[in-house]
Amino acid sequence: AQSVSQHNHHVILSEAASLELGCNYSYGGTVNLFWYVQYPGQHLQLLLKYFSGDPLVKGIKGFEAEFIKSKFSFNLRKPSVQWSDTAEYFCAVNERKSGYNKLIFGAGTRLAVHP
Amino acid sequence: GAGVSQSPSNKVTEKGKDVELRCDPISGHTALYWYRQSLGQGLEFLIYFQGNSAPDKSGLPSDRFSAERTGGSVSTLTIQRTQQEDSAVYLCASRRSQGADTQYFGPGTRLTVL
Repeated sequence: AQSVSQHNHHVILSEAASLELGCNYSYGGTVNLFWYVQYPGQHLQLLLKYFSGDPLVKGIKGFEAEFIKSKFSFNLRKPSVQWSDTAEYFCAVNERKSGYNKLIFGAGTRLAVHP
Repeated sequence: GAGVSQSPSNKVTEKGKDVELRCDPISGHTALYWYRQSLGQGLEFLIYFQGNSAPDKSGLPSDRFSAERTGGSVSTLTIQRTQQEDSAVYLCASRRSQGADTQYFGPGTRLTVL
């Protein structure tokens, strides 16, 4: 079965530092890929998504992610983080073979940004 | 328009009691999902409804869990004879249609079983 690995469970950065959060899914086929963010006390929000086309996708708040099919990866990046980026970040995938009906989530990465 | 809403936001119950959690999807969304988020873990798929089709119950952890969706809109997740390991945040999501599209999440219900 499909699974999603997020390599970093906790990340601590200072403001203005660059961010890269790793995400790998377990096997290929046609997939859609997502990053969701959960700010403290808030519900899950979509940060960005990849369905097809340009593998470099841009999302809200300056985030971007690159889909590398050969590596089964969809890493999230931001060149300069802010204190307000403190949140938990979830990578998720769904597959065409299951009708894109089930989102499989990674365990999440907690990001803390210090001023 | 309004997002996905869930009620209650918090529920504390005693072991062995039954609980019902409610989800109101975004108006017009035909697909509805339930997930469970346990402490320190990612989101676990529970059940999926699409229109009038039979639901996909493959993620329900035991027969104590059930869900229904009335009139293609509101959904209720029922947990019978709750156990302490059922303590988690239960999230509902809806999607406009089946196929490649985005799921939108509600705020969740935090269930605590004492």
